[in-house]
Amino acid sequence: GAVVSQHPSWVICKSGTSVKIECRSLDFQATTMFWYRQFPKQSLMLMATSNEGSKATYEQGVEKDKFLINHASLTLSTLTVTSAHPEDSSFYICSAPEASDPYNEQFFGPGTRLTVL
Amino acid sequence: GNSVTQMEGPVTLSEEAFLTINCTYTATGYPSLFWYVQYPGEGLQLLLKATKADDKGSNKGFEATYRKETTSFHLEKGSVQVSDSAVYFCALSNNAGNMLTFGGGTRLMVKP
Repeated sequence: GAVVSQHPSWVICKSGTSVKIECRSLDFQATTMFWYRQFPKQSLMLMATSNEGSKATYEQGVEKDKFLINHASLTLSTLTVTSAHPEDSSFYICSAPEASDPYNEQFFGPGTRLTVL
Repeated sequence: GNSVTQMEGPVTLSEEAFLTINCTYTATGYPSLFWYVQYPGEGLQLLLKATKADDKGSNKGFEATYRKETTSFHLEKGSVQVSDSAVYFCALSNNAGNMLTFGGGTRLMVKP
């Protein structure tokens, strides 16, 4: 099946710094990618939909200036957590459906664990 | 709007026991249904899927049948193994390229 990678897999940063997380579709093109946040022992919460060539669509309650999303190409979306604080510590997961798949099977990245000190 | 409800965990079973994790959904039209599995510290992996009513998805001994009359997609396995210990998510999607709606997840713990 298709593969989605994320980088880094683990990051620890100081409060106030910005962290960039990359999501890449390795063997398929993805005009849309999704960013999720997962707290310990909880389900995935959709943060935003990343659209290649246009602005991201954010879910209610998600600060767009805090979580900057850029979908630079058909295989790359980035999430930047700006001025990170300890409450931003979480597991961030991206996913992407193959553009040609009518049944919307999505492929998930392995996740990025962010710890803000 | 769309919603997915699955049984709360954790579900604790002994090895070789029968597993059922219930999942029901609310959606317009004819959604595609999925089960994803998440092993500790990892992302989600697709376990199985069904795209129309009465379809049965199956993989690695797991099965789920798309029941439109009961709006359900229960996950079953006849004999669980310790290695099946993970969190299982039921999900649906209406449209190509659209987002997935997830259930809350069910943690399965299988003891030897």
